[in-house]
Amino acid sequence: QLQLVESGGGVVQPGRSLSLSCAASGFTFSSYAMHWVRQAPGKGLEWVAVVSSDGTDKHYADSVKGRFTISRDNSKNTLSLQVNSLRAEDTAVYYCARDDGGGYGVWGQGTLVTVSS
Amino acid sequence: QTVVTQEPSFSVSPGGTVTLTCGLSSGSVSTSYYPSWYQQTPGQAPRTLIFSTNTRSSGVPDRFSGSILGNKAALTITGAQADDESDYYCVLYMGSGISVFGGGTKLTVL
Repeated sequence: QLQLVESGGGVVQPGRSLSLSCAASGFTFSSYAMHWVRQAPGKGLEWVAVVSSDGTDKHYADSVKGRFTISRDNSKNTLSLQVNSLRAEDTAVYYCARDDGGGYGVWGQGTLVTVSS
Repeated sequence: QTVVTQEPSFSVSPGGTVTLTCGLSSGSVSTSYYPSWYQQTPGQAPRTLIFSTNTRSSGVPDRFSGSILGNKAALTITGAQADDESDYYCVLYMGSGISVFGGGTKLTVL
């Protein structure tokens, strides 16, 4: 069945880095653009970044531009998010989501990143 | 910076109809923004309800419908049920690869 499984979250100190992964299965991963969306505790959803199906085109929210890098490995059906220079306000559950054209068709269960000293 | 606006909260009676909206701080929402809608309950990942203004996601009952009403995107729930009590989010595509979520609407069914 269609599945996205995030991993890599944890507790990290401010200013440090983390690498998040999203493993896709049940569909042709290389045919879809992919997104990261996050949700701070008790807050709403926030779009973070998108990468095109072939990995060449990438876009970021202003809040993470220059600090986060989205990438993908279509040979491994894996989406990644490298998060650098972490701040307290980056504390959130990070979801990966498949772009089905005009919306997100498949969501992962999320991975929690906590930025704290 | 453009803000996507949603009602912070809404209430509907069981069996009733409610329309949630998704607007822009400046300008009008059209189909060119590809509005989509998501339902989320606490501790769960979002569930996709509506794509591209008015296309229901697989398995979503037809009492959920999307449209453009005036200058906003809209999600209408007819025959509200207790388990429709959730947070609802819209997202708009702003162009140049950028998407923006609204702040969400907390729907109470009582």
